[in-house]
Amino acid sequence: NAGVTQTPKFRVLKTGQSMTLLCAQDMNHEYMYWYRQDPGMGLRLIHYSVGEGTTAKGEVPDGYNVSRLKKQNFLLGLESAAPSQTSVYFCASSEQGVSTEAFFGQGTRLTVV
Amino acid sequence: GENVEQHPSTLSVQEGDSAVIKCTYSDSASNYFPWYKQELGKGPQLIIDIRSNVGEKKDQRIAVTLNKTAKHFSLHITETQPEDSAVYFCAASGSSGSARQLTFGSGTQLTVLP
Repeated sequence: NAGVTQTPKFRVLKTGQSMTLLCAQDMNHEYMYWYRQDPGMGLRLIHYSVGEGTTAKGEVPDGYNVSRLKKQNFLLGLESAAPSQTSVYFCASSEQGVSTEAFFGQGTRLTVV
Repeated sequence: GENVEQHPSTLSVQEGDSAVIKCTYSDSASNYFPWYKQELGKGPQLIIDIRSNVGEKKDQRIAVTLNKTAKHFSLHITETQPEDSAVYFCAASGSSGSARQLTFGSGTQLTVLP
């Protein structure tokens, strides 16, 4: 039982490049989330999904897009990377929304130069 | 929206002593308050949570207290051990529904000195 798996673990991008972060969960959870973690700012919600085929904006959605074509996968895309998007990105999933335990992946460290 | 403030940002204690981390929240509709522990290079992991219908919850050396009137909640770790060293995050959420978001505090770096 792998839980939540993020791919890749590290990535360096040049300004203007695009990339997709993949999150996969094997717990059959309905809810999935993408957070970014910056020093001194905790975790901030980028986008989330309440089920297959649905997505919604979180606190800091600008510059990111997401897709949930399959229940077990949640993709985070950066169309044109900017240095301000340098961060550690965490994916999480939960069974029944934000009032139940969220299981986090190990994180993706992204640097935009 | 919800605003969660967490103090202190860093905390050092001697092994065996107690540690207390405090959080305040702004949304009176919040009714779920989890605490997450993040070890170096890993994702956060839930260690304890409390719901608004309960004032205190304990799990071995860890306890959480909630004061809904004052809108603050605290994490208490007793008999600290070196493996308790990590970053701890508090969070607050509204009623259990798909539109509510979990808002995190800024984190506390706890160091337990041997």
